[in-house]
Amino acid sequence: NAGVTQTPKFQVLKTGQSMTLQCAQDMNHNSMYWYRQDPGMGLRLIYYSASEGTTDKGEVPNGYNVSRLNKREFSLRLESAAPSQTSVYFCASSEYTRVGSNQPQHFGDGTRLSIL
Amino acid sequence: EDQVTQSPEALRLQEGESSSLNCSYTVSGLRGLFWYRQDPGKGPEFLFTLYSAGEEKEKERLKATLTKKESFLHITAPKPEDSATYLCAGKDNFNKFYFGSGTKLNVKP
Repeated sequence: NAGVTQTPKFQVLKTGQSMTLQCAQDMNHNSMYWYRQDPGMGLRLIYYSASEGTTDKGEVPNGYNVSRLNKREFSLRLESAAPSQTSVYFCASSEYTRVGSNQPQHFGDGTRLSIL
Repeated sequence: EDQVTQSPEALRLQEGESSSLNCSYTVSGLRGLFWYRQDPGKGPEFLFTLYSAGEEKEKERLKATLTKKESFLHITAPKPEDSATYLCAGKDNFNKFYFGSGTKLNVKP
C-alpha cells in the first residue's frame, strides 16, 4: 500500500542550485498536486494537474515548474533555488470525474527542503 | 475569492474535555468539504468528506457537520492520541482544493 511516494525526504541546497522533487502514485488517480506548507500558512497550492497532459498554476507558482510525466508521476522543479523556497513540499493525488465527484486527496509524507 | 478559514489556530484541552473546531468557507460550486488530520512530520490523512448542508459524519470521538457557510469538527471526550493538527479544505468544480491554515489540538492527560 504505497499510495503517494515522494523523493527525496530531505534536501539541503545552496542558493541558485536547481533540483527536481519527484512524486509517484499507485492509485490510478488522474489528478495530482504540489503544495508547500510553511508555519502558520497552511497548505498553499503551487501547481496542479487535473488530468494527464494538463497542468495549471496554483496560488504560489513563481520560481517553480512542473512536469506530468505520465499518469503516475508529477515532478516539481526549482530552477534557481532561493531561501524563500525553504519549506515542506507535499504531493497529493485524487480521483476526478467530470460529474464532479467528491473524492478526497491522498498525500505523501513530504520533502523537507532547506535553501541556504 | 475562494477561501477557507479555520479557528481557533490552537486549542489546548484536558483529556475528556469536549470541544469544537470551526471551518468557514467561501468556495464557488463547492464539490465537497474535507477534514484531514496531520501528525508532525507526516502528510495530511483523510478523515471525512461532507457534501450537503445538514450532513454529518462520525468516526470514533470525532463528528463532522456541515452548514451552507461552515463546518464543525466536534471532538467528544478527547484522548492524548487525538493531539494533531486538523485541516479542512473545500473542493471546487475543477478538482482544486482550498485549505485552511489548520487548528493545532493539544490534549493533556
